[in-house]
Amino acid sequence: EDQVTQSPEALRLQEGESSSLNCSYTVSGLRGLFWYRQDPGKGPEFLFTLYSAGEEKEKERLKATLTKKESFLHITAPKPEDSATYLCASFSWGKFQFGAGTQVVVTP
Amino acid sequence: SAVISQKPSRDICQRGTSLTIQCQVDSQVTMMFWYRQQPGQSLTLIATANQGSEATYESGFVIDKFPISRPNLTFSTLTVSNMSPEDSSIYLCSVAQGVSNEQFFGPGTRLTVL
Repeated sequence: EDQVTQSPEALRLQEGESSSLNCSYTVSGLRGLFWYRQDPGKGPEFLFTLYSAGEEKEKERLKATLTKKESFLHITAPKPEDSATYLCASFSWGKFQFGAGTQVVVTP
Repeated sequence: SAVISQKPSRDICQRGTSLTIQCQVDSQVTMMFWYRQQPGQSLTLIATANQGSEATYESGFVIDKFPISRPNLTFSTLTVSNMSPEDSSIYLCSVAQGVSNEQFFGPGTRLTVL
């Protein structure tokens, strides 16, 4: 059975303290691995799509990487406005499957 | 990117009633989805809304409980029927477009059933 697992469940960081979020997947026929940011009370906001192992994408303080079994979202020198829940999702056979998310809190 | 609106943004309903949620997209899209997000949890796919044919439901979701319409490529509705407090959740519609299948979400409808 296809699975998408995120760790840790929650992460508390000091401003400027870099860290990484993990998304492990066992999905047949993977057509893309997606990262989203979700703020409380809002729909998820698209961040990145990764398609093949070795691929990397960056946006401001965020960098996403992909291997054959997992993806990482690296947050470099985070700021309080980076506080959110980060979701990863696989796309396979025409549908998306989401992980449970990592709730990130960045304190000043 | 697609701009998606949902109506209503929130509602409080009585047990046993039904609520229809509307999803409008600013461009034509092939793939449209409905998700449920229960408090503190991630997204669970309810169904894929297909234009011109019946929706495709995920395990655990049935058409009688969650009827879906997709009359054209920019609009869809999800009805939550015969509601119970367990249906209290955020309901989100999303679309996927382009060769990259980028998925964009509406703002969600927060439903509370008393």
